[in-house]
Amino acid sequence: GAVVSQHPSWVICKSGTSVKIECRSLDFQATTMFWYRQFPKQSLMLMATSNEGSKATYEQGVEKDKFLINHASLTLSTLTVTSAHPEDSSFYICSARGTTGQAKVTDTQYFGPGTRLTVL
Amino acid sequence: ELKVEQNPLFLSMQEGKNYTIYCNYSTTSDRLYWYRQDPGKSLESLFVLLSNGAVKQEGRLMASLDTKARLSTLHITAAVHDLSATYFCAVDVQGGSEKLVFGKGTKLTVNP
Repeated sequence: GAVVSQHPSWVICKSGTSVKIECRSLDFQATTMFWYRQFPKQSLMLMATSNEGSKATYEQGVEKDKFLINHASLTLSTLTVTSAHPEDSSFYICSARGTTGQAKVTDTQYFGPGTRLTVL
Repeated sequence: ELKVEQNPLFLSMQEGKNYTIYCNYSTTSDRLYWYRQDPGKSLESLFVLLSNGAVKQEGRLMASLDTKARLSTLHITAAVHDLSATYFCAVDVQGGSEKLVFGKGTKLTVNP
């Protein structure tokens, strides 16, 4: 149980295009999902917290107009990198936390497999 | 601002040896997590420590939490090559919110 998927697993795009990354909780409902980015050989940095049915909360320094987050259902959150540039190339990882009442999935976040974005 | 410091950042050890990775954090929190990351992969949850004095063990790894000292340790016993990976600790910023701040990670290499 507690599986999180991401799609695509990798993407290469041209500078100036937009890329959408999906994060799904496959066997549990997630009111809260988190989006992280990780540069090579560095730690994870939280970009934003995504709550189902409401606007995402962005961390300081993260451009909300560039990184659009939508959490339309209890099992799906999307991150759209708009007008991507080479400096946006990174490993993007989502995680999901279960809703209250799903005891075994509320103690921790479950991480997706990540999406490697390369912007040429 | 919560800061999480891990040390060492790099650890090379021989199989069969024991070692401890330390994770210090700067503000009050009673939730700490340990994750493993293999190259090119995402995070695998190892331990969730939810209270002062919590100790959890899984195989050759044991994690503990001292909330008064703001310190967690990840102890490796009789290391084997398969444990080679990067280990991250992460602290919950707002007590149950699951907004996590990660340490920089400890890259562990276990040599035969």
